[in-house]
Amino acid sequence: QKEVEQNSGPLSVPEGAIASLNCTYSDRGSQSFFWYRQYSGKSPELIMSIYSNGDKEDGRFTAQLNKASQYVSLLIRDSQPSDSATYLCAVNPSSGNTPLVFGKGTRLSVIA
Amino acid sequence: DAGVIQSPRHEVTEMGQEVTLRCKPISGHDYLFWYRQTMMRGLELLIYFNNNVPIDDSGMPEDRFSAKMPNASFSTLKIQPSEPRDSAVYFCASSTRMGAFFGQGTRLTVV
Repeated sequence: QKEVEQNSGPLSVPEGAIASLNCTYSDRGSQSFFWYRQYSGKSPELIMSIYSNGDKEDGRFTAQLNKASQYVSLLIRDSQPSDSATYLCAVNPSSGNTPLVFGKGTRLSVIA
Repeated sequence: DAGVIQSPRHEVTEMGQEVTLRCKPISGHDYLFWYRQTMMRGLELLIYFNNNVPIDDSGMPEDRFSAKMPNASFSTLKIQPSEPRDSAVYFCASSTRMGAFFGQGTRLTVV
């Protein structure tokens, strides 16, 4: 059973701080990793993808991947109240373009 | 492209009635997924298609659920008969290797 684990939160950070969201996965052969943001009552929105070990930066967002530790994280710099949402980690298992396996998400609250 | 389009956005029905949810994927995406989301269970994959062919329906909870994809631009998820425990948000998503893109979802309430 392929699993993706996330802390459900809520994770509360003050405005302007760095929010750190973490995710572990069970399938060691997984090749691609995604972060989705889901506002309450809305659909998941793809915000970051990462495929190789290391960091990938996009604006205020940085995704970090460590395949040896089966760990992927999302850092949000200069957090804003508008970043308050649930963040879903998703993993594409080793066998090509197959369905993503989603974690249950971490609820982030940025306090003004 | 308008993205993945789902209809209806909201559906309220009585227990025992048939419910049909509809999805138009993004043009050119050859995978289509149906997910269900609840607070308790999170996002659950129900079924997915590749080039209109159902690949894995092991996530479909019961025989009351069925899905079709008659062509590359249309899919349906049907529940017959519906039950209160089917109440959830149902998402359709289509994908490339760059990730999956979700429709706005259908919020189903079975009373």
